[in-house]
Amino acid sequence: GAVVSQHPSRVICKSGTSVKIECRSLDFQATTMFWYRQFPKKSLMLMATSNEGSKATYEQGVEKDKFLINHASLTLSTLTVTSAHPEDSSFYICSARAPGLYTEAFFGQGTRLTVV
Amino acid sequence: AQKITQTQPGMFVQEKEAVTLDCTYDTSDPSYGLFWYKQPSSGEMIFLIYQGSYDQQNATEGRYSLNFQKARKSANLVISASQLGDSAMYFCAMREGIQGAQKLVFGQGTRLTINP
Repeated sequence: GAVVSQHPSRVICKSGTSVKIECRSLDFQATTMFWYRQFPKKSLMLMATSNEGSKATYEQGVEKDKFLINHASLTLSTLTVTSAHPEDSSFYICSARAPGLYTEAFFGQGTRLTVV
Repeated sequence: AQKITQTQPGMFVQEKEAVTLDCTYDTSDPSYGLFWYKQPSSGEMIFLIYQGSYDQQNATEGRYSLNFQKARKSANLVISASQLGDSAMYFCAMREGIQGAQKLVFGQGTRLTINP
């Protein structure tokens, strides 16, 4: 099946710094990618839809200035957590939908962010 | 309103037994897709099975089958001959419509534990 690669898998950063997470579709072009956040023992919460060549669409309640999304190419979307704080610590996971109408979304491995 | 509901926070099953994980959904769109994903402790999301709203037959993939009851708006996952490696979180998800970004909305998840 299609592969989506997410990097890094784990990151620890100091409060106030910014962290960039990359999501790549390795063997297909993804015009749309999705970013989710998952708290411990909870479900995946959609943060934003990343659109290649245009602005991301954020879900209600997600700060667009805090979570910057860039989808510069058909195979790469990045999520930057700006001025990170301990409450931003979470598991972030991206997905990309394979071309076609009725296809599943493939997920990256996820990134566990810890802000200290 | 909750679009995807998984009412079983946890399930405990004896190895080699079959298990059914419940999922109900709510949508007014005639075109939708239903998905099941497995999330082991590593965090990755593993696609298991897909059912389209217009599919006449229940989807099957190896030991996984989807009991799709459209009138009841339920899409239960059946795992036959459970194995220790099936222990994980299981998420039901829905994608509505055929236009637009087609984001996935997830249920709360069910933690499945297979006992030896």
